[in-house]
Amino acid sequence: DGGITQSPKYLFRKEGQNVTLSCEQNLNHDAMYWYRQDPGQGLRLIYYSQIVNDFQKGDIAEGYSVSREKKESFPLTVTSAQKNPTAFYLCASSIDREGVYNEQFFGPGTRLTVL
Amino acid sequence: AQSVAQPEDQVNVAEGNPLTVKCTYSVSGNPYLFWYVQYPNRGLQFLLKYITGDNLVKGSYGFEAEFNKSQTSFHLKKPSALVSDSALYFCAVRGGGSYIPTFGRGTSLIVHP
Repeated sequence: DGGITQSPKYLFRKEGQNVTLSCEQNLNHDAMYWYRQDPGQGLRLIYYSQIVNDFQKGDIAEGYSVSREKKESFPLTVTSAQKNPTAFYLCASSIDREGVYNEQFFGPGTRLTVL
Repeated sequence: AQSVAQPEDQVNVAEGNPLTVKCTYSVSGNPYLFWYVQYPNRGLQFLLKYITGDNLVKGSYGFEAEFNKSQTSFHLKKPSALVSDSALYFCAVRGGGSYIPTFGRGTSLIVHP
């Protein structure tokens, strides 16, 4: 059964605490992405990675960090520097051949709430 | 820079009637256009895409979209709406040398019984 998994489904964070969201894919995709979704604001890109051991900041990277040590895994850490982290977080992956951009596959999401 | 506009925050349609969800885009070069659907508290699911070829693209669950280059539009359509089609729909564009897709803000489709 191929796809993208995210865990946990729900996560609660206390003020000043770092939390890590997991994203794993078994689709053999090179590219992986993290998005934040807030009501009425669509998807905003946090970080993306086109290849192992390399990643780039998206539009709203402040207060977040990522790693890409394995092709299958792209964890996102929400640090205490992120002042308003309550949101729905989506991980995605895609396979892109030279000059052709394909659709993204999304995980089921993690809902993060700050207590 | 590339951009996507979904001019309607919400579309209401009666079950059995045709539906249209609008999308216009701006990109330099050839566009790669996508529609996704999102049900509550779920990830996005891919519906269909335009890469090249026929302007009318058919996708999952009976949806189709028409690519119109002159109007820079890629409207999503379905001949007969179902209540179960009620969801949030996103249009996205990739291309023009930009690796990263740009998403619209989403359109909430409500199909009334």
